[in-house]
Amino acid sequence: DQQVKQNSPSLSVQEGRISILNCDYTNSMFDYFLWYKKYPAEGPTFLISISSIKDKNEDGRFTVFLNKSAKHLSLHIVPSQPGDSAVYFCAASMNRDDKIIFGKGTRLHILP
Amino acid sequence: SQTIHQWPATLVQPVGSPLSLECTVEGTSNPNLYWYRQAAGRGLQLLFYSVGIGQISSEVPQNLSASRPQDRQFILSSKKLLLSDSGFYLCAGGLWGNNSPLHFGNGTRLTVT
Repeated sequence: DQQVKQNSPSLSVQEGRISILNCDYTNSMFDYFLWYKKYPAEGPTFLISISSIKDKNEDGRFTVFLNKSAKHLSLHIVPSQPGDSAVYFCAASMNRDDKIIFGKGTRLHILP
Repeated sequence: SQTIHQWPATLVQPVGSPLSLECTVEGTSNPNLYWYRQAAGRGLQLLFYSVGIGQISSEVPQNLSASRPQDRQFILSSKKLLLSDSGFYLCAGGLWGNNSPLHFGNGTRLTVT
């Protein structure tokens, strides 16, 4: 049973435009959500997170939006840059649990 | 800040051979430690996690095992590798309970032939 779902395996976006990566979750007990970026043959690097008490968190070009009623979160990257081409993983956890559950990832291609 | 060290970076092992992957953590005490595997098209699958020395929780039944002999050391092992064990293995560490992110090592690419 997949608790964190990233339904788009890949996404192509023109350089300079906005990239929107989506993530859905099924467990209403999740209260902390994270986005990671991963290049080939490297470990994922943390990008941005959001607690369930918020609906938006912004850090430079990256903004994460959380819609608890829809159990949906999204990562917005604007403007998109060539170095943003990577696999993006959504992850979720419960504060009192030690497990962090990841989605399958979305490969983002930034087109010149 | 926390740094996760993993080795080796790549490994090719025959079916039936043993496995030992080591992960060490620098820059923090009493971290939660995790082993994940990234298989093709499968995302990041949590294999084991540990909240302290000698404490291991297994998420996926398989022929792999994990041990935590020291606070900052986490080892992934197998007595006999299967072809299906091929993948990219990632160690991660975090201070959980405080809504803080995990930090990952650079991973080990394991190919079982």
